[in-house]
Amino acid sequence: SYVLTQPPSVSVAPGKTARITCGGNNIGSKSVHWYQQKPGQAPVLVISYDTNRRSGTPERFSGSNSGNTATLTISRVEAGDEADYHCQVWDSRSDHPVFGGGTKLTVL
Amino acid sequence: QITLKESGPTLVKPTQTLTLTCTFSGFSLTTFGVGVGWIRQPPGKALEWLALIYWDDDKRYSPSLKNRLTITKDTSKNHVILTMTNMDPVDTATYFCAHGILAGQVTFGSWGQGTLVTVSS
Repeated sequence: SYVLTQPPSVSVAPGKTARITCGGNNIGSKSVHWYQQKPGQAPVLVISYDTNRRSGTPERFSGSNSGNTATLTISRVEAGDEADYHCQVWDSRSDHPVFGGGTKLTVL
Repeated sequence: QITLKESGPTLVKPTQTLTLTCTFSGFSLTTFGVGVGWIRQPPGKALEWLALIYWDDDKRYSPSLKNRLTITKDTSKNHVILTMTNMDPVDTATYFCAHGILAGQVTFGSWGQGTLVTVSS
């Protein structure tokens, strides 16, 4: 089964830029989706198909995907961005979704 | 507005079978391209996809759990039911159902609040 690797944690100061990576074998050939999950809440889809912000997702959130790494970039980070972020792809070989291990974003 | 809500037991004993129901509104599971998935999350751990059922009754299961899972739908009641057999303490998790849209692949655009299931004797 396809494996996605995320760093367990990323820390960033308010107003700075956070970059959360999602690694996978030739992930650039797949579409990557990003979910934000705040404590005690369900995940929320924020970026789909690598770069598409969902309605309601701030423009400060952007995505990119190339080679073996996809990246979720959050500019001008705010305290309210503190959450777990999960990447997801579709494993076309076995025809099902796969989630990464999640990254906890801490705003210092 | 799409809403989903999970229901079922909060506590099950080891070896028992878990049955969870996802009750949804705001969409029809007879519409082309629509699916409902189940995803779980052990406390403090990652999301794990479990099963997916499509509008045409096609089904997908996690390879590691497929022998224990069954997903069905009742479109008249707007229900999707997940059963998991032979429960073990490691299956303790919050179980989410989510609305999926198939556009070459599935993304989960709306999720239920989740229900915590504890497996303990």
